[in-house]
Amino acid sequence: DAKTTQPTSMDCAEGRAANLPCNHSTISGNEYVYWYRQIHSQGPQYIIHGLKNNETNEMASLIITEDRKSSTLILPHATLRDTAVYYCSWGGPQGNLIFGKGTKLSVKP
Amino acid sequence: DTGVSQNPRHKITKRGQNVTFRCDPISEHNRLYWYRQTLGQGPEFLTYFQNEAQLEKSRLLSDRFSAERPKGSFSTLEIQRTEQGDSAMYLCASRPGQGANEQFFGPGTRLTVL
Repeated sequence: DAKTTQPTSMDCAEGRAANLPCNHSTISGNEYVYWYRQIHSQGPQYIIHGLKNNETNEMASLIITEDRKSSTLILPHATLRDTAVYYCSWGGPQGNLIFGKGTKLSVKP
Repeated sequence: DTGVSQNPRHKITKRGQNVTFRCDPISEHNRLYWYRQTLGQGPEFLTYFQNEAQLEKSRLLSDRFSAERPKGSFSTLEIQRTEQGDSAMYLCASRPGQGANEQFFGPGTRLTVL
């Protein structure tokens, strides 16, 4: 089944870096990796995306392995408001996004 | 606020009734996607439009489901003869036609079928 694999849950101390891994071993060579997060009862919020190179924006950094089979989202200084479900996804044949079950990140004081 | 709006935000209906949801995408986005999300799962693709043309339907979209996007602007998703298994969050997303597939999601419509 062509989906992503992520840990079910992770904890992180406030102010520390949160590193969220994702396995996407079936991704094809020209598909981007996208990360979204979802706070309860809201729509997914876009965080970052990348193809081959590592990427950084104001929210997070994305590290993609050379073989592109896995990636890691890094929240450099997690805050309580970063508590959410984090999804890595990649593009399907029609441009739709393919999501797994996500990682529930809990940031604790 | 991503600029994608959905109405209603919540809908409670009885089994067998028809329901219709609306999505207003970001105005310059010509691609529009519908997803369904059940508890504990990530969003699952249902269908998508490029302008007014519906180009793909997932196998999840049974014959009771129909979607339209007249004039390539807003879109509607109708479910006929609702079943309890239709209870879910229905999400709409839009993106520009070119470039990376960065999609912007609306807040979703939560459907509860009693």
